[in-house]
Amino acid sequence: EPEVTQTPSHQVTQMGQEVILRCVPISNHLYFYWYRQILGQKVEFLVSFYNNEISEKSEIFDDQFSVERPDGSNFTLKIRSTKLEDSAMYFCASSEGGGGYTFGSGTRLTVV
Amino acid sequence: GQQLNQSPQSMFIQEGEDVSMNCTSSSIFNTWLWYKQDPGEGPVLLIALYKAGELTSNGRLTAQFGITRKDSFLNISASIPSDVGIYFCAGRSGGTSYGKLTFGQGTILTVHP
Repeated sequence: EPEVTQTPSHQVTQMGQEVILRCVPISNHLYFYWYRQILGQKVEFLVSFYNNEISEKSEIFDDQFSVERPDGSNFTLKIRSTKLEDSAMYFCASSEGGGGYTFGSGTRLTVV
Repeated sequence: GQQLNQSPQSMFIQEGEDVSMNCTSSSIFNTWLWYKQDPGEGPVLLIALYKAGELTSNGRLTAQFGITRKDSFLNISASIPSDVGIYFCAGRSGGTSYGKLTFGQGTILTVHP
């Protein structure tokens, strides 16, 4: 069964530092997403990416966030200057277009 | 923004019992999805629904896309201990098949052996 792979599984960073979360989507998928889940809460949409550009983003995805597909396999989420409230599980997902999305196992980001 | 109201928030049942949970929305969705999340893992797709009125099964799981396109339910029959987890509904609106998902708050399911 194809998987979405995320690294690292855990990341602890100091407030104000930059972090990059990495994802390898399923190889034949065309649409890529980042979602986050604050502990005990629901999953929230951050951004979708298609054809090398952002197709949609939420209010959460402000100027501190950026996404990139630096090569043919990786998809990254960068948080430029982390805040305490950025602590959450960050999930990458991908899809062929239509159907459900396949989610990765997530990166737990803790900002101290 | 769009909101999905998922209920119940939690359920405590005995092994073998049937379970039902549902989601409602004030706005229309063109796709309903049901996911299960185990602790420390990402959501795993259980069932996808694409047409109003559609009823779909996946083993012991059955889900329906409400006729008004504003609601969906998930039933689990003859529950077993490994059904434990958090169940999320998610809806997709708009005209595309790749738009953002809006998630419900989740139903925490506990199954006592």
